[in-house]
Formats: sequence, C-alpha cells, structure tokens
Amino acid sequence: NAGVMQNPRHLVRRRGQEARLRCSPMKGHSHVYWYRQLPEEGLKFMVYLQKENIIDESGMPKERFSAEFPKEGPSILRIQQVVRGDSAAYFCASSRTGTSGSGFYNEQFFGPGTRLTVL
Amino acid sequence: GENVEQHPSTLSVQEGDSAVIKCTYSDSASNYFPWYKQELGKGPQLIIDIRSNVGEKKDQRIAVTLNKTAKHFSLHITETQPEDSAVYFCAASLNEKLTFGTGTRLTIIP
Repeated sequence: NAGVMQNPRHLVRRRGQEARLRCSPMKGHSHVYWYRQLPEEGLKFMVYLQKENIIDESGMPKERFSAEFPKEGPSILRIQQVVRGDSAAYFCASSRTGTSGSGFYNEQFFGPGTRLTVL
Repeated sequence: GENVEQHPSTLSVQEGDSAVIKCTYSDSASNYFPWYKQELGKGPQLIIDIRSNVGEKKDQRIAVTLNKTAKHFSLHITETQPEDSAVYFCAASLNEKLTFGTGTRLTIIP
C-alpha cells in the first residue's frame, strides 16, 4: 500500500514565478492537510481539505496561497508570485477521516515533502 | 490557539540508555497527542500516539505518558540504538489541526 506521495521532491523558482505542489493521499484516505516547515523549525499547519472542500485554511496566508483537492486527482498547493520567504519544505499529510465516531482524531500520515527554493 | 512547547531541543544519549522528551500544551480541550520521528531529508513518521482518555501507552521500546491535569506528555525510548538518532516532534490536536513542538534532535552515541 503506497504511502502519501508528493511531487516534485525539489522545486526551484525565481521570485515572481508560480509554484505548484502536488499531493496524492494514501489509498482510502479522503482528508488532506498541508504543513510548512522552515529550516530548524517545527511544522506549521496551513490548510485542511476534503474532496472539493476547504475545511480549515486558518494557517494559510491570505495572499498568493491557494489550495484545492478536486474530485479527481491530487491535492494542489499553489503559491503565486513566490518570494524568498516562501523557501521551505512543504509537507502533505492524509488521514482516513477527520474525526472518528468517538470524537477522537484519526492519525495523519505524512509524505516525503517538497523542498521549495526561491532564488 | 494551541501552543506546544518541547524540551530539550537537543539530547545526546549513550547507546543502550534511555531518552526522555517532554512537551506541554496550552489548550485543555486538545485530545490527541502524536509523536513523529523525522530523519534528514524525509517526512515525519508517526511512531506513537496517545488519546486523552488514557494515561500511558507502550509499543516495544517506545512509551508515551499523558498528564491531562498538568497538560504535559512525554516520550520515553528505552534501550536506545543508533537508528533512533533523528529529530522528534510532539504535537497536540483539537479537531483536525496538529500543532507541533519545535523538535528535539536526539543523538545516540555508540
């Protein structure tokens, strides 16, 4: 059973270009989360999506960043007009359901990440 | 929102000895506490988790304890091995959003 897949693994962009990051969740998982990790720091929540719906985008900058999880295909995190401060590792995670019947949260499994470098 | 503090930031342990990493959280409503191991250049790997209805959970050499009253939880690794060297992150969750600690770089000295 393949794990969470992300591509590309490494992405280099010049300031002002667009970056598009892709995430395919684990088989059977319908919930996707995006996190950002700056060097030597922990992961910061950005956005939580289900198929065709954004559930929580409270951690995502209002400008230049957008995310989608279409009915078919991978989840996409898009960064428009990238700046040097966007350089980071972006991780996607997936879970089977957001909250189980008991009210507890289901495990999130992470992909290998996309390392974005903005020149 | 939730805030998670993690200590220590670095930890060196002789092979075979035990390692303990501690985290505190701020939101008493958080009910799920996973621990992740991250190796260089890789994504975080879930190694153990605990839910707020239990106080302790063990899986072979790894154990996690939770004190809801004090709002802190700890990771215990016994009989450490060189392959345990990595960065470890704790996290706390309310609903679906994970809030991570800042990480502990664990080095096992052969």
